Amino acid sequence: AQSVTQPDIHITVSEGASLELRCNYSYGATPYLFWYVQSPGQGLQLLLKYFSGDTLVQGIKGFEAEFKRSQSSFNLRKPSVHWSDAAEYFCAVGALRGKLIFGQGTELSVKP
Amino acid sequence: KAGVTQTPRYLIKTRGQQVTLSCSPISGHRSVSWYQQTPGQGLQFLFEYFSETQRNKGNFPGRFSGRQFSNSRSEMNVSTLELGDSALYLCASSSARSNTGELFFGEGSRLTVL
Repeated sequence: AQSVTQPDIHITVSEGASLELRCNYSYGATPYLFWYVQSPGQGLQLLLKYFSGDTLVQGIKGFEAEFKRSQSSFNLRKPSVHWSDAAEYFCAVGALRGKLIFGQGTELSVKP
Repeated sequence: KAGVTQTPRYLIKTRGQQVTLSCSPISGHRSVSWYQQTPGQGLQFLFEYFSETQRNKGNFPGRFSGRQFSNSRSEMNVSTLELGDSALYLCASSSARSNTGELFFGEGSRLTVL
């Protein structure tokens, strides 16, 4: 069955520190992978996506993610976290048209 | 280009009532999907419409229904509300030309059932 696992429910990092959010997926075919961010009371904003080709993808707000087929992972990274990055982050895999399977999310807190 | 617009943003209902939520997709997008977000279950797919036809459906009871109009606007309806239906309902649209499932989300309708 298709699934997405985000092992970390909550992560706290200091402002200026680097960040890595983990995502593992289970999907039979070549996956379409996404990272979304959600601020409190808001909808989901697309950070980046992987469809094919270069396994390191760049997104908005200085985020990047690396697709590793051998590890079934699509981890999100940022070299230097800003206080405004505090939010909930969701990894997702594209299943059918219009249907994404989401992980449970990782809540990011940023210490000043 | 305007984003996905959902109305109302907040609403309170009581058990047994019904509710209708509205979604206007990004101009030119013909696919509209609906998701339910709760703290316990996370983000769950409800259904997807394209050209007024439901193409995909998630595992929700028949109390949850939707439709899409010729202008691609969509509504979802929940009848006989239960306490567990309290959630953030998110609508997302995508381009028909996209085969990759990239979705653009609205800000959601927050439903509270008392």
